[in-house]
Amino acid sequence: QLQLQESGPGLVKPSETLSLTCPVSGGSISSSSYFWGWIRQPPGKGLEWIGTIYYSGSTYYNPSLKSRVTMSADTSKNQFSLKLSSVTAADTAVYYCARGYSYDWYFDLWGRGTLVTVSS
Amino acid sequence: QSALTQPRSVSGSPGQSVTISCTGTSSDVGGYKYVSWYQQHPGKAPKVMIYDVSKRPSGVPDRFSGSKSGNTASLTISGLQAEDEADYYCCSYAGNYVFGTGTKVTVL
Repeated sequence: QLQLQESGPGLVKPSETLSLTCPVSGGSISSSSYFWGWIRQPPGKGLEWIGTIYYSGSTYYNPSLKSRVTMSADTSKNQFSLKLSSVTAADTAVYYCARGYSYDWYFDLWGRGTLVTVSS
Repeated sequence: QSALTQPRSVSGSPGQSVTISCTGTSSDVGGYKYVSWYQQHPGKAPKVMIYDVSKRPSGVPDRFSGSKSGNTASLTISGLQAEDEADYYCCSYAGNYVFGTGTKVTVL
């Protein structure tokens, strides 16, 4: 049973870089059948897609966040990562990592989510 | 890239049907078949209920159905049950992903 679990600091200072990883257990991130993504949800608000990374290493980012987002994958550790720079209070949210199914373009498996608060 | 528009809330009594709309544009919902719907209970991660407009993943009750007409997709829950009370989000893939604003379903 494949599982994802977000990992990283729960508190980040304004202007600093938010860094999260998503280790994948029970399956390989190198499969061409799947892609990997990050989605966030500010407290009490809706879901926002951050970006997606494919087995080829190609990345696609939300245009509104593109200038601050970097996603990468480490196949040796079977995990993928998110970096969001120059954070502000508006970046406070629950961050989810998720697996997507390449043929139908939906997210079929989600991590539990981790709350990241931006505050000094 | 604006969020897709959903009603803020819908409600129904047990056994009734409710429908949630999701309105986008010809550049997202209207132009592609890749519309999915997610159910989210409080404090939990989203769970996919519908993909490709109307397909149900294994394990999702057939009370959940999806459709699309023009730039508007819809999720219908038939035979509403107490455990269906949750937030629901639509999502469209058109190269990038855009989620809907979310709808709270209340079972009266």
